[in-house]
Amino acid sequence: QKEVEQDPGPLSVPEGAIVSLNCTYSNSAFQYFMWYRQYSRKGPELLMYTYSSGNKEDGRFTAQVDKSSKYISLFIRDSQPSDSATYLCAICRTSGTYKYIFGTGTRLKVLA
Amino acid sequence: GAVVSQHPSRVICKSGTSVKIECRSLDFQATTMFWYRQFPKQSLMLMATSNEGSKATYEQGVEKDKFLINHASLTLSTLTVTSAHPEDSSFYICSANEGGRGNTIYFGEGSWLTVV
Repeated sequence: QKEVEQDPGPLSVPEGAIVSLNCTYSNSAFQYFMWYRQYSRKGPELLMYTYSSGNKEDGRFTAQVDKSSKYISLFIRDSQPSDSATYLCAICRTSGTYKYIFGTGTRLKVLA
Repeated sequence: GAVVSQHPSRVICKSGTSVKIECRSLDFQATTMFWYRQFPKQSLMLMATSNEGSKATYEQGVEKDKFLINHASLTLSTLTVTSAHPEDSSFYICSANEGGRGNTIYFGEGSWLTVV
């Protein structure tokens, strides 16, 4: 079983839609969660990070973590064509040696 | 957010030559830096983890003698691809972590390597 699973997509939505991107992870030792956005031929850009279960909001983006289910989500409200990119979830083990695991990325296309 | 700069953004080299890619943390001290390789439409593949002043830890299957990593200071890590081969053509990305900013890692812009 992979340590983190993410649907690669592609996911196509109309402009203005609410987008839900999800990852599951298998090891409860991972306690820190991040979402990155990667445009084609660019390095990933950090969108959000969180330690806690629950929701964290930043503008149109909401990160949600459910540690009991080992499930993390990123919601994008009022999606725009400029949101079209690959979204990567990342989990971090914070005890002992730091270890970061990335999802495969979900390709999102927002249609104008 | 923190800034990680990677240089060059694009490089073309001849087979058999070596090429160096630099990764710099511009506004923080990076105790740990990571090097990744990414093929088109695929996820990041961790190549190695480097801690300042010590030898890099390479992932299984990554040739240490081919991908030389140096992390001589808290703001600079370099990846040297030695005896480059067309199969080494790829997108190489670095990232950096600073403990004071928590566990978040920040990525460079990436470097496109083409070996001809």
